[in-house]
Amino acid sequence: ILNVEQSPQSLHVQEGDSTNFTCSFPSSNFYALHWYRWETAKSPEALFVMTLNGDEKKKGRISATLNTKEGYSYLYIKGSQPEDSATYLCAFKGDNYGQNFVFGPGTRLSVLP
Amino acid sequence: EPEVTQTPSHQVTQMGQEVILRCVPISNHLYFYWYRQILGQKVEFLVSFYNNEISEKSEIFDDQFSVERPDGSNFTLKIRSTKLEDSAMYFCASSALDTPRGYGYTFGSGTRLTVV
Repeated sequence: ILNVEQSPQSLHVQEGDSTNFTCSFPSSNFYALHWYRWETAKSPEALFVMTLNGDEKKKGRISATLNTKEGYSYLYIKGSQPEDSATYLCAFKGDNYGQNFVFGPGTRLSVLP
Repeated sequence: EPEVTQTPSHQVTQMGQEVILRCVPISNHLYFYWYRQILGQKVEFLVSFYNNEISEKSEIFDDQFSVERPDGSNFTLKIRSTKLEDSAMYFCASSALDTPRGYGYTFGSGTRLTVV
């Protein structure tokens, strides 16, 4: 059974703090990893598509890194703002695991003003 | 910005009844998907659809489920005889290209199905 995990499950930070969380996935047969931000009552929004070991992607204050050899990706948020409050999902695809993505359970981030 | 729209946003149905969940994907997208999330659990893949046929389905997607793209714009998920365990948030998604390498999914905002 393919397992994708995220930690921590939830996180509370103060406005202005920087934070990071982890997505872990099988280290064999990597094909692609997606990060999504999911705000309450809205649809999940694609943040990053990561395909190569060592990839680093950046979008404003949010960035992500990828280590396919050890099976993890980090998502970083610099200077958290209340509007960053959301659940952050990662989704993994390995070569031999069908055509579609396996999602992690998400990290719920709350940024307190 | 183009959106994937889903209707209804919330549906309550009696166990054993048929439900149809509707989605309008982004117009130039070619690949369509249904995912669901049971409360407190992970988002799970149900089915992918391309070129008017199912390209892959999960174990969840049994004979009680079906999908259709009846008119070139709508993409529907039908559950023939709902069970209590079908209660979940159902997400439709679409993508312009085969998703894995190029693009993420564009998700709709979901239909919350409650089976009573």
